[in-house]
Amino acid sequence: DAGVIQSPRHEVTEMGQEVTLRCKPISGHDYLFWYRQTMMRGLELLIYFNNNVPIDDSGMPEDRFSAKMPNASFSTLKIQPSEPRDSAVYFCASRSAGYNYGYTFGSGTRLTVV
Amino acid sequence: KQEVTQIPAALSVPEGENLVLNCSFTDSAIYNLQWFRQDPGKGLTSLLLIQSSQREQTSGRLNASLDKSSGRSTLYIAASQPGDSATYLCAVSNNNDMRFGAGTRLTVKP
Repeated sequence: DAGVIQSPRHEVTEMGQEVTLRCKPISGHDYLFWYRQTMMRGLELLIYFNNNVPIDDSGMPEDRFSAKMPNASFSTLKIQPSEPRDSAVYFCASRSAGYNYGYTFGSGTRLTVV
Repeated sequence: KQEVTQIPAALSVPEGENLVLNCSFTDSAIYNLQWFRQDPGKGLTSLLLIQSSQREQTSGRLNASLDKSSGRSTLYIAASQPGDSATYLCAVSNNNDMRFGAGTRLTVKP
């Protein structure tokens, strides 16, 4: 099992540009989560999906952020337009259904908006 | 809203010492608690998962305890090594809302 796979590992973009972050969860996991980590706010849940359906997006900071999960093996987090304050590490995590299972995190995407 | 606090924020110990990291949470109606390790610039590695019905979990030199009624968990690291240096994060799950503490940054000096 390759674990949760995120791409790219690093992204540097100019303010105003569109940014797309990608995630491939562990096969068979029913839940997928997007988190953002900053020094000031720590780890924050942005949105999560269950069986490809968005369940709770209350953590999405603004309408500039959107997330999709077109199938069980792929999800994207898009920021359009990007701003310098979006600079952070974005993590994707997945887990199986049932609370006996913990979360598995990807290696993250470090986003820098200049 | 669940709030998770970790004390201390940073800890420096000489190699070989046993140490305890603390985690407290405000809402005891949790499903489980998970301890993670994060190395600088890296992702989160799961160390231990404790279900709400369990009192402790052990993995090698690590032992995590859970007292749900008092809203506390501890991570005990025995015979610390320089390779244990990292940030340790406590995360509590209520339904599908996993909340993280700010972490304890551990440095183990050779």
